[in-house]
Amino acid sequence: KNQVEQSPQSLIILEGKNCTLQCNYTVSPFSNLRWYKQDTGRGPVSLTIMTFSENTKSNGRYTATLDADTKQSSLHITASQLSDSASYICVVSGGYGNNRLAFGKGNQVVVIP
Amino acid sequence: NAGVTQTPKFRVLKTGQSMTLLCAQDMNHEYMYWYRQDPGMGLRLIHYSVGEGTTAKGEVPDGYNVSRLKKQNFLLGLESAAPSQTSVYFCASSPGTGVSGELFFGEGSRLTVL
Repeated sequence: KNQVEQSPQSLIILEGKNCTLQCNYTVSPFSNLRWYKQDTGRGPVSLTIMTFSENTKSNGRYTATLDADTKQSSLHITASQLSDSASYICVVSGGYGNNRLAFGKGNQVVVIP
Repeated sequence: NAGVTQTPKFRVLKTGQSMTLLCAQDMNHEYMYWYRQDPGMGLRLIHYSVGEGTTAKGEVPDGYNVSRLKKQNFLLGLESAAPSQTSVYFCASSPGTGVSGELFFGEGSRLTVL
């Protein structure tokens, strides 16, 4: 069973609207959680990192939350733009090194005008 | 800044042929990784290196070999390509692990094995 589950698998939103992506994980112990953005045909790029003591962190129109007790994270996109069309990948580290990272399958977001 | 550069970007092979993917990074990172990405699956680690001259197996190492003779380069080899190795391959590097373990990815190499 995958240790990182993301939902929804895909969604279509209108430009200017908000959306929230979910990441549930079972990785234990927990060190940190990163959200990456992967544009079509490109490599993933880090958006934000959440550590155990952090609840919320923003990067422009992207806001990530973390509830370490329930092992859940969310990524909220505010006032979506066409350039937000991408796959958003949740990656969880148990602190044993990057060779033990747990990757989600990604949330595919399509923003339409 | 170039960051992480992968070559080639596209390649078509016949079953049984061999090839090498080259990854170069200019950020002086100690750690380097090779992943494969397949539809409907998360990124899976093939091999990784924690420094010049070191390599180690990841989650799906069978059918692949790697070498890290220079700190800035990480090569991924396929000795006898199989259709199951059709995938998009990503190289990544990181300055450290844990909170310093942000992965910096290349643009990917799309490999098709016929």
